[in-house]
Amino acid sequence: GAVVSQHPSWVICKSGTSVKIECRSLDFQATTMFWYRQFPKQSLMLMATSNEGSKATYEQGVEKDKFLINHASLTLSTLTVTSAHPEDSSFYICSVQGGADTQYFGPGTRLTVL
Amino acid sequence: GEDVEQSLFLSVREGDSSVINCTYTDSSSTYLYWYKQEPGAGLQLLTYIFSNMDMKQDQRLTVLLNKKDKHLSLRIADTQTGDSAIYFCALPLNTGNQFYFGTGTSLTVIP
Repeated sequence: GAVVSQHPSWVICKSGTSVKIECRSLDFQATTMFWYRQFPKQSLMLMATSNEGSKATYEQGVEKDKFLINHASLTLSTLTVTSAHPEDSSFYICSVQGGADTQYFGPGTRLTVL
Repeated sequence: GEDVEQSLFLSVREGDSSVINCTYTDSSSTYLYWYKQEPGAGLQLLTYIFSNMDMKQDQRLTVLLNKKDKHLSLRIADTQTGDSAIYFCALPLNTGNQFYFGTGTSLTVIP
C-alpha cells in the first residue's frame, strides 16, 4: 500500500493562532485525500474530501473557513486550522485514496491548543 | 448514512481468544476493514474481507462476515498483551469516497 506521512506529529499552539498540518503521499500519486478528526476515546469523523487541483468537499457541520484545505499536488494536502481554539484540540488523521474502496492512513497529528 | 456500532470495551486474559463485533446498516460496501489503533498512534490496517466472502483467516486473525445479519467480527487467537489497543471496523461506501468507522472497541489484555 501507499506510505503516508504527516507533519508535524504533535503541535501545541496558543489560542488564536493558525496551525498547518501536512499530509504527504510518499510513493503514490493521490488524486483524492481525506481529512479526519478524532476526539479522545471517540471514533474518526470525516471532515473533508480533498481533490487535487480543486476545492475540498466539506462534511456537514465542518466550517470550511476555519479548516482550510489545499491539495495543490498529487503528493501533498495541507489542513490549516485558522484561529485555533481549545475545542479544536484533537487528533487529525489524513488518508490517501488508493484503489476502489481503499484508503491508506497517515500516522496522525495531535493538536493541542492552549 | 451508515451506522456502524461496536461494543466499547473488551477485556480478555492473555492466551485467550478475543472476539470483537461490529454491526452496520448499509450493506453496499465491497470491502470491510479492521484497523488497530494503539494509544497516541495512527491507524494500522489489520485485515479486510471482500463482501462476497464469509470468512477470512490471516494468521491469528479470523474475520467473519454475516451479510444477512449485517454483522462483522474479528477474532484474535492467543491474544497477547501487545494486542491491547482500540479496534475499529470500517466500511467504505461504494464510491470509495467515504469510510464509515465504527465506534471502536478498546481491547485490554490482562497478563
